[in-house]
Amino acid sequence: KNEVEQSPQNLTAQEGEFITINCSYSVGISALHWLQQHPGGGIVSLFMLSSGKKKHGRLIATINIQEKHSSLHITASHPRDSAVYICAVSLFTDKLIFGTGTRLQVFP
Amino acid sequence: DADVTQTPRNRITKTGKRIMLECSQTKGHDRMYWYRQDPGLGLRLIYYSFDVKDINKGEISDGYSVSRQAQAKFSLSLESAIPNQTALYFCATAPRYRRKDTDTQYFGPGTRLTVL
Repeated sequence: KNEVEQSPQNLTAQEGEFITINCSYSVGISALHWLQQHPGGGIVSLFMLSSGKKKHGRLIATINIQEKHSSLHITASHPRDSAVYICAVSLFTDKLIFGTGTRLQVFP
Repeated sequence: DADVTQTPRNRITKTGKRIMLECSQTKGHDRMYWYRQDPGLGLRLIYYSFDVKDINKGEISDGYSVSRQAQAKFSLSLESAIPNQTALYFCATAPRYRRKDTDTQYFGPGTRLTVL
């Protein structure tokens, strides 16, 4: 069993829809990261959080430490949001453990 | 200019050849990492370095070696490439101190390696 599980693996949406991607983990963590991988392959960090909620534009990330669960929400989705979204957790070391990613396609 | 660069961006090689992938960064970060990404799998850590004199194996280091030539440069070598090393390779950097909100890793654009 992977230590970081994401769902769904694939997601399609119509432009404007509200999108939720989930991440569950089974280990103690110091922080959880959401990353975005563009179709060209580049990876950028969207959020790092250890409690509560963070918001950046149309993106919202939440984490529930007790339930070992995090969600990434995209409001008013747009085709440019199409990408792979990756959840990763920091253990109490300098290393990350990555989920396998959720491929999102948003159609006009 | 990009803060973390990787060269080459694409490489096709043959089984048994020696390959070097290079990573350079202008962020002034101490920590550098090499990952590989395979379809259907998460990013997996190959090697990491916390400074020029500190090199550590990751979970899948067999068949790979690294060199930290300077704070800004971290190279990954495949001494004798094999087809199952075909993958997308990423370099990443992070600052030394693990204060809150400084754990973010910054990724290079990736190198797509194909071993025939």
